Amino acid sequence: DVKVTQSSRYLVKRTGEKVFLECVQDMDHENMFWYRQDPGLGLRLIYFSYDVKMKEKGDIPEGYSVSREKKERFSLILESASTNQTSMYLCASSPLAEINTGELFFGEGSRLTVL
Amino acid sequence: GEDVEQSLFLSVREGDSSVINCTYTDSSSTYLYWYKQEPGAGLQLLTYIFSNMDMKQDQRLTVLLNKKDKHLSLRIADTQTGDSAIYFCAETPSMEYGNKLVFGAGTILRVKS
Repeated sequence: DVKVTQSSRYLVKRTGEKVFLECVQDMDHENMFWYRQDPGLGLRLIYFSYDVKMKEKGDIPEGYSVSREKKERFSLILESASTNQTSMYLCASSPLAEINTGELFFGEGSRLTVL
Repeated sequence: GEDVEQSLFLSVREGDSSVINCTYTDSSSTYLYWYKQEPGAGLQLLTYIFSNMDMKQDQRLTVLLNKKDKHLSLRIADTQTGDSAIYFCAETPSMEYGNKLVFGAGTILRVKS
């Protein structure tokens, strides 16, 4: 069974703290994604990676960075958390585009609250 | 840029049909998707349709695609309380680098017993 695991389901951080959100997939997928989900706005792409050590900005990369040192792991980093980064963060993965229908496999999400 | 729009809320009675609508802007989309998110969970693919199809049926689910109007709909027959969830429409404007799906805001489906 395919599995995308996000290490923390709920986090509470203070403004200015550095935050790491970890995501691991066990499907040997090349592509990995970080989205944030906000009510009424749906999912917005923060960053994605199509290979180890490769990363591309999504639609809302400001205030975030990512790291992909190993194929199975994609980390989202908030260098200095702010209250407007309070959100649900969803990690997803997918195999190469040529061999699939575009389906993304999602983790259960990490709900971050910044006080 | 790409944009996907859908109504935010739908309420139906158990046993009725539900129809969730979506409009998209990118006419080059290869696939269009419906994802379901149950409370406290991530998104799961419900169904998808290839852009050269008009309709796809899968048990209680019927997807209709009108490419001319860039309109996608999801019909759930005999809606059950377990169908209560958020439903996201999504398109994939480019398959060049993985699957950069563009999602709508999600439609909250509430099923009343």
